[in-house]
Amino acid sequence: SQQGEEDPQALSIQEGENATMNCSYKTSINNLQWYRQNSGRGLVHLILIRSNEREKHSGRLRVTLDTSKKSSSLLITASRAADTASYFCATDGSGNTGKLIFGQGTTLQVKP
Amino acid sequence: GAVVSQHPSRVICKSGTSVKIECRSLDFQATTMFWYRQFPKKSLMLMATSNEGSKATYEQGVEKDKFLINHASLTLSTLTVTSAHPEDSSFYICSARGQGSEKLFFGSGTQLSVL
Repeated sequence: SQQGEEDPQALSIQEGENATMNCSYKTSINNLQWYRQNSGRGLVHLILIRSNEREKHSGRLRVTLDTSKKSSSLLITASRAADTASYFCATDGSGNTGKLIFGQGTTLQVKP
Repeated sequence: GAVVSQHPSRVICKSGTSVKIECRSLDFQATTMFWYRQFPKKSLMLMATSNEGSKATYEQGVEKDKFLINHASLTLSTLTVTSAHPEDSSFYICSARGQGSEKLFFGSGTQLSVL
C-alpha cells in the first residue's frame, strides 16, 4: 500500500525560484528517501535522511524531517529547467523489511 | 553510482502471449530486487520482493501465477507476465539493492502495451 502523501501534486515555477515539496507518511520509519523520475524513465536516488536527523543538505537540495508530524519536505533552491521531473518520497517502515513504499509524487515543471 | 539495466524498454504484444522483462545489476551484487508497477501519472506500486535463490514475496493483491519472478543470480532477476491481457499494460520498473545498502538503484523501466 502507498503510505506517502505528497503535496502539491503539481508545481510550476520559473527558473531561479525555489521549489518546495512535502511528504507525509503514516507509520514509523528508519529513514525517508527522496527520488526523482524523468518522464518514462526509472528513478534516481537524491537523498536519504534518517529518523534521528532533522535536516540534510546535498548541493541545491535541502530535506527536512519531522517525525512527530510524520512529514518531510524537499526544497530545491535556484531551480533550473533541467529540474523538471516528478519527485517521490519513499519510506522504509520500521520493520526492516527493506521494502520502500513510495508517495504519490509531485510533478515539478521549471519554466526557462 | 551503481547501474541497473532493464530490458526491453518497450514491448508491444498480443493478448495471451507471455512477456519476459530482465533486470540486471551491472556493477554490484543485488541481494534483493524489487519489482514495481506504475500507471500514468501515478506512484509506484510494489509488486514483489525477490531475494537471490529464494522464492519471491508478493504484495497483497498481486497474482504470483500471473507475474512470475525469478532471481537466479546476484545480478539477474526476471519478471514474466504470463498470458498478458490489455489490463496488464503498464510501466514496470525493477530496482536493486546491494547488501547493507539502504538506497535503491532503478532500471529505466519497461513500457508494456498489450493489444
